[in-house]
Amino acid sequence: AQRVTQPEKLLSVFKGAPVELKCNYSYSGSPELFWYVQYSRQRLQLLLRHISRESIKGFTADLNKGETSFHLKKPFAQEEDSAMYYCALLSGGYNKLIFGAGTRLAVHP
Amino acid sequence: EAQVTQNPRYLITVTGKKLTVTCSQNMNHEYMSWYRQDPGLGLRQIYYSMNVEVTDKGDVPEGYKVSRKEKRNFPLILESPSPNQTSLYFCASRADSKNQPQHFGDGTRLSIL
Repeated sequence: AQRVTQPEKLLSVFKGAPVELKCNYSYSGSPELFWYVQYSRQRLQLLLRHISRESIKGFTADLNKGETSFHLKKPFAQEEDSAMYYCALLSGGYNKLIFGAGTRLAVHP
Repeated sequence: EAQVTQNPRYLITVTGKKLTVTCSQNMNHEYMSWYRQDPGLGLRQIYYSMNVEVTDKGDVPEGYKVSRKEKRNFPLILESPSPNQTSLYFCASRADSKNQPQHFGDGTRLSIL
């Protein structure tokens, strides 16, 4: 079954600490993975996608096919990073985006 | 400005009273989709459309209908809303080619009493 798992509902860190939001997926085939961010009361915004291998707002994510993971990392968290983060897998011939349950990141001063 | 527009943003209504949430995109995207967001469950796809007059069920289609008469519009219809449809709803659109991300609307918060 195709599935995205984000094991942590809440991740609480202090400003300047490293952050790793975990994402594991289950998919037969070559996955296309995304991270979306949702700031308080706002729409979901694309943060980054694995195909681009980019760094956005200091965040990076590397696809590890062996561990079926796509963890999101940032070396030094900022208070403005506090938000809900969703990992998503594109499936079904590009017709379906399967989301994880989300992880709330809280960065404290 | 490229955007996905949903209306209304908030709605409180009663069980059984038909309602429609509109969604419009100005990016000429082929693909549009509706999701509901519930605590602890993330976003789940309700319906999607690959192009005009082409729609299909997502993971949680029960109690919902959609239509795609024009490329830019993809309304979500609740013929007889029930309290378990109280949720936050997002419309999204995407160009129909590989590696294209979905663009989301601002969301519609529905409360069914």
